[in-house]
Amino acid sequence: GDSVTQMEGPVTLSEEAFLTINCTYTATGYPSLFWYVQYPGEGLQLLLKATKADDKGSNKGFEATYRKETTSFHLEKGSVQVSDSAVYFCALMGKLQFGAGTQVVVTP
Amino acid sequence: NAGVTQTPKFQVLKTGQSMTLQCAQDMNHNSMYWYRQDPGMGLRLIYYSASEGTTDKGEVPNGYNVSRLNKREFSLRLESAAPSQTSVYFCASSEDGVGGHTEAFFGQGTRLTVV
Repeated sequence: GDSVTQMEGPVTLSEEAFLTINCTYTATGYPSLFWYVQYPGEGLQLLLKATKADDKGSNKGFEATYRKETTSFHLEKGSVQVSDSAVYFCALMGKLQFGAGTQVVVTP
Repeated sequence: NAGVTQTPKFQVLKTGQSMTLQCAQDMNHNSMYWYRQDPGMGLRLIYYSASEGTTDKGEVPNGYNVSRLNKREFSLRLESAAPSQTSVYFCASSEDGVGGHTEAFFGQGTRLTVV
């Protein structure tokens, strides 16, 4: 069945550092891929998405590219801020499967 | 613009009690989902409803029942609560369903403790 695997956290960074969170998937066909973010005490919010191979999703300085050849959808941001501290989830739209989540902590 | 509304936000139950978690969306979405979130486990799908009148089991359906009352509402029922059901529960909805391409919108969650 469909599944998503993402890197374990927590990931601790200093402000202005480069962030990468790895995500790989297993699926039949070419489902849409998503990154969601969850701030403390809140529900999940869509961060970005890509609906087909080679699509690049971007939002708030975050980017991810749908790589069919490596079945990956890694999340990147060039310069993180303290306000980016949150849990990030990779997901694919089959039955909307989620990865385990990666906690990111950004320190001043 | 309410989006997805869940009630209650917090609940404490005794083992063996029953309760229903309510979820409503005002976006005219076809599909609705119930997830539970546990530390280190991410979100696990309990049940989903691809359209009004249909429901299907997800990854962890045991101990739960659901009702898709109409297009707007999707409720989750615990018939006899157990401590293992202590979790944060999220409802979500999306325009498309299984195999679709649209994103899901989430409620704020219900924090349930079973003692």
